[in-house]
Amino acid sequence: AQSVTQLDSQVPVFEEAPVELRCNYSSSVSVYLFWYVQYPNQGLQLLLKYLSGSTLVKGINGFEAEFNKSQTSFHLRKPSVHISDTAEYFCAVSDVNGNKLVFGAGTILRVKS
Amino acid sequence: EAGVAQSPRYKIIEKRQSVAFWCNPISGHATLYWYQQILGQGPKLLIQFQNNGVVDDSQLPKDRFSAERLKGVDSTLKIQPAKLEDSAVYLCASSSFSRVNTEAFFGQGTRLTVV
Repeated sequence: AQSVTQLDSQVPVFEEAPVELRCNYSSSVSVYLFWYVQYPNQGLQLLLKYLSGSTLVKGINGFEAEFNKSQTSFHLRKPSVHISDTAEYFCAVSDVNGNKLVFGAGTILRVKS
Repeated sequence: EAGVAQSPRYKIIEKRQSVAFWCNPISGHATLYWYQQILGQGPKLLIQFQNNGVVDDSQLPKDRFSAERLKGVDSTLKIQPAKLEDSAVYLCASSSFSRVNTEAFFGQGTRLTVV
């Protein structure tokens, strides 16, 4: 079975500063990895996904993530954040058939002016 | 393309009452998930359907929760009887998980308050 650990429950950052949200996973099988964003009172929206190939994946809104198989990590980064990026971010993992899509506990990104 | 539809958006019930939630996935999506998201936590997978068969229900509290997906399209999740700790947002998601699309699309959720 898969599991996901998001290492930070909250990350405060000033506007235009870079940010990294950390995610580690464990699985006994090959996996797909995802980052979702949830704005207040809204559903989950996909930011980006890693399926195979290049370990650096780019997503929407200027976010990117790097898959590191040896460290079983999939950290999310953005070089310069905006106030509008304030939201909760969830890392998720599934097997390559889409089964057992499991989420981490989430990281709240608070962007301050 | 229409998204995942869920109803109702909000529900308040007393403990020991029963409640049902409905989900209509994106047309053609064979995989349907129900998640429970308690305030301050990540979504927890309750049950996953592939067409009308259950793939995983290992975290579904089967003494009070039930779910069905008749005809492999829309789905209902029922709680009977409800407990205070069932207060949460119940999210439905669907996916085709084909070689082209590996994304799970989420509905807006149903916020349940048990008093």
